[in-house]
Amino acid sequence: DVKVTQSSRYLVKRTGEKVFLECVQDMDHENMFWYRQDPGLGLRLIYFSYDVKMKEKGDIPEGYSVSREKKERFSLILESASTNQTSMYLCASNLPYEQYFGPGTRLTVT
Amino acid sequence: GQQLNQSPQSMFIQEGEDVSMNCTSSSIFNTWLWYKQDPGEGPVLLIALYKAGELTSNGRLTAQFGITRKDSFLNISASIPSDVGIYFCAGKNDYKLSFGAGTTVTVRA
Repeated sequence: DVKVTQSSRYLVKRTGEKVFLECVQDMDHENMFWYRQDPGLGLRLIYFSYDVKMKEKGDIPEGYSVSREKKERFSLILESASTNQTSMYLCASNLPYEQYFGPGTRLTVT
Repeated sequence: GQQLNQSPQSMFIQEGEDVSMNCTSSSIFNTWLWYKQDPGEGPVLLIALYKAGELTSNGRLTAQFGITRKDSFLNISASIPSDVGIYFCAGKNDYKLSFGAGTTVTVRA
């Protein structure tokens, strides 16, 4: 069974804090993704990684960075959290034809 | 990434009804995917379509990959209350997905 897990379901952070969101997949997938989802804006790609230590910017990378030191783990980092980064964050990983999502992290920045 | 045109945006349906939703794009895709998302959860993959003209079923769900490779539709037959949620289409080439804005389905008991 396909499994993508995210470290937290809900997170509340203060403006200016450094925030780490962790994602783990147990399917040996090479490609992993971070999206954010906002009402009326849909799913937007922040970053993706096609191999260990390899990353590419998505559509909205500003204010975010990523780390992929091991194949199964892909981390999203908010260097200095801001209120406009309050959102639902979704991690995903790929087979060649199918993409599977984690359960999401609802992040609130106050 | 490109946003696909998904319609309808929302629908209220009677339990037991059949429903349809579709997605169109100006671009060609190699794969079409359909997801369902419950409130506060991540999208769950329902059906994957791999070639033009393909018709695939998963229980009461049926989806088709359009001949032009620029569209896809999803049918739900005999709706039940647990069909409530948001349904997304996604077109895939290479690594990345382009998503529809979603169809919100509400079932009237």
